[in-house]
Amino acid sequence: NAGVTQTPKFQVLKTGQSMTLQCAQDMNHEYMSWYRQDPGMGLRLIHYSVGAGITDQGEVPNGYNVSRSTTEDFPLRLLSAAPSQTSVYFCASSYSTGALNTEAFFGQGTRLTVV
Amino acid sequence: GDSVTQMEGPVTLSEEAFLTINCTYTATGYPSLFWYVQYPGEGLQLLLKATKADDKGSNKGFEATYRKETTSFHLEKGSVQVSDSAVYFCALSGNSGGYQKVTFGTGTKLQVIP
Repeated sequence: NAGVTQTPKFQVLKTGQSMTLQCAQDMNHEYMSWYRQDPGMGLRLIHYSVGAGITDQGEVPNGYNVSRSTTEDFPLRLLSAAPSQTSVYFCASSYSTGALNTEAFFGQGTRLTVV
Repeated sequence: GDSVTQMEGPVTLSEEAFLTINCTYTATGYPSLFWYVQYPGEGLQLLLKATKADDKGSNKGFEATYRKETTSFHLEKGSVQVSDSAVYFCALSGNSGGYQKVTFGTGTKLQVIP
């Protein structure tokens, strides 16, 4: 019963490097999303997807790309890392895109440091 | 737009003390309300939820009541334990263009000391 799996758990990047954070879920959930968690700011939505082939921007999308080629996978790409992207990143999924009462399941997070 | 305001932490309590973490919200329509908990080094997990006015969510001794008249969803526990030390997030789930949109508060860190 894996749930939501994120890799890697820790990463250090140099400014300007690119990388992809991986997220996979095995619950056949329609809805997947990426958040960043910063001190004093809670969780902020970066991008989300309501199904395979459909993605949209959240609150803080700049500097990040996503794609959803399968129901299971939702990778987050940092195009050119900046120190401002130092954060903890969480992937989440939920069963239904339309029902308001469905809970979100979270991965364990990726702690990213950009130097 | 939707917003969630939580009391700032950290909150430090002695074991067996009473806990209240305040949460108020602003939303259009009829959102669902949630409390999530994040233990050190882990992701968030659902603690409890309420989907309509006057509903009470409860789990592991924690309770919260959906109060539409005061737009609040305060988290309470009668007797906290050291194992309750964690960060608690209040969240609401509203409708945005036909899809669920979840808005989180900033989180409240709770430390329980023996």
